[in-house]
Amino acid sequence: EVQLVESGGGLVQAGGSLRLSCAASGFRFTAYSMNWVRQAPGKGLEWVSYISSSISTVYYADSVKGRFTISRDNAKNSLYLQMNSLRAEDTAVYYCVRDGEWDSFDCWGQGTLVTVSS
Amino acid sequence: EVVLTQSPATLSLSPGERATLSCRASQSVNTYLAWYQQRPGQAPRLLIYDASTRATGIPARFSGSGSGTDFTLTISSLEPEDFAVYYCQQRTNRLVTFGPGTKVDIK
Repeated sequence: EVQLVESGGGLVQAGGSLRLSCAASGFRFTAYSMNWVRQAPGKGLEWVSYISSSISTVYYADSVKGRFTISRDNAKNSLYLQMNSLRAEDTAVYYCVRDGEWDSFDCWGQGTLVTVSS
Repeated sequence: EVVLTQSPATLSLSPGERATLSCRASQSVNTYLAWYQQRPGQAPRLLIYDASTRATGIPARFSGSGSGTDFTLTISSLEPEDFAVYYCQQRTNRLVTFGPGTKVDIK
């Protein structure tokens, strides 16, 4: 069974840092590009970042560029998101998401909540 | 950035009725358009990709159509578990955008 399990969320003060992790299982992790997508409370979905399977390519939404860093450890089947200089507007559930066919997102984790207090 | 607009914002229907949801892109995305369902308290689930291809395990009552800038998600006969929020999504030049969502609620 394909599984993505996020961890590392919590309460942090504005200006602080947090590192999210995502443990992947049930599929060949090294073959897939991965993403982080977030959802603020009561709001819609916002794509945050992308990393290719080979780690050679990364992309970020303008809203997090320069503050967040996506990375992965293919030996550990794990995806990460280092979040620095956090702002109140970064408060959201963060989902670890697998790239699917035709640029879709075919597998989602259950999400981890990040709350930034101002 | 490609902006996706969804209409209506809310669709109030009864079980058994047909639901028609619209997604419009600010520029052509060919058929690189996906649809997701999100039930309360759950993660989104992929329904449709390539504008009209059902994802694995998705019931046949869900269908997608369209190309270019205008897309439609149709639920032929609403089941109780279909009352949820639906999002469209595209990726252009590796930048991803989602529509604001359509909530399908019980009339």
